[in-house]
Amino acid sequence: KAGVTQTPRYLIKTRGQQVTLSCSPISGHRSVSWYQQTPGQGLQFLFEYFSETQRNKGNFPGRFSGRQFSNSRSEMNVSTLELGDSALYLCASSLVSIIWTGGPYEQYFGPGTRLTVT
Amino acid sequence: KNEVEQSPQNLTAQEGEFITINCSYSVGISALHWLQQHPGGGIVSLFMLSSGKKKHGRLIATINIQEKHSSLHITASHPRDSAVYICAVSPSGGSQGNLIFGKGTKLSVKP
Repeated sequence: KAGVTQTPRYLIKTRGQQVTLSCSPISGHRSVSWYQQTPGQGLQFLFEYFSETQRNKGNFPGRFSGRQFSNSRSEMNVSTLELGDSALYLCASSLVSIIWTGGPYEQYFGPGTRLTVT
Repeated sequence: KNEVEQSPQNLTAQEGEFITINCSYSVGISALHWLQQHPGGGIVSLFMLSSGKKKHGRLIATINIQEKHSSLHITASHPRDSAVYICAVSPSGGSQGNLIFGKGTKLSVKP
């Protein structure tokens, strides 16, 4: 089974621009979560999607948004980029979203997209 | 205070040594995860546990729910074990992906 894939792997953008990152989950997985990793803050939860619906959102400004398509692929978008948005953005997929439906289930992480904002 | 605390932050060991990394948390959880991150960024899930102990090869993870504490042990450490080890928790009542992460422990194993 193919793992979680993320594109692009590296990206350089300028302050004020916007960016879209893509994540393709493991086949059969319906839950996709996004995380931001920075040297200062470590790993932080951004949001989670299941069946095209956002199930949960972390403490990030509205410039960070996402969506999930019917094939479970997900995109996240950051508008009006700031220098502090430079980070490794990771996505992870899982079978389900709600833990009490027999879970919790293991999260499978993608390789990440390294975003540099200049 | 962070909800998930790890110690130590950095650890250097000689090949063959027994290694322990600790994780304490302050929230109710449905599961605790141990993750491994190599240079380059990719994260691999090592363990997911909600009670007791799990073992994969040279790796052992334990959790004490009453004390809100977990440990990751590496027996007979090897230079290829050099990585950042991250503890994360799934809070009770939360959704699958809503993980709270520790800051990580950077392990370097010297030959």
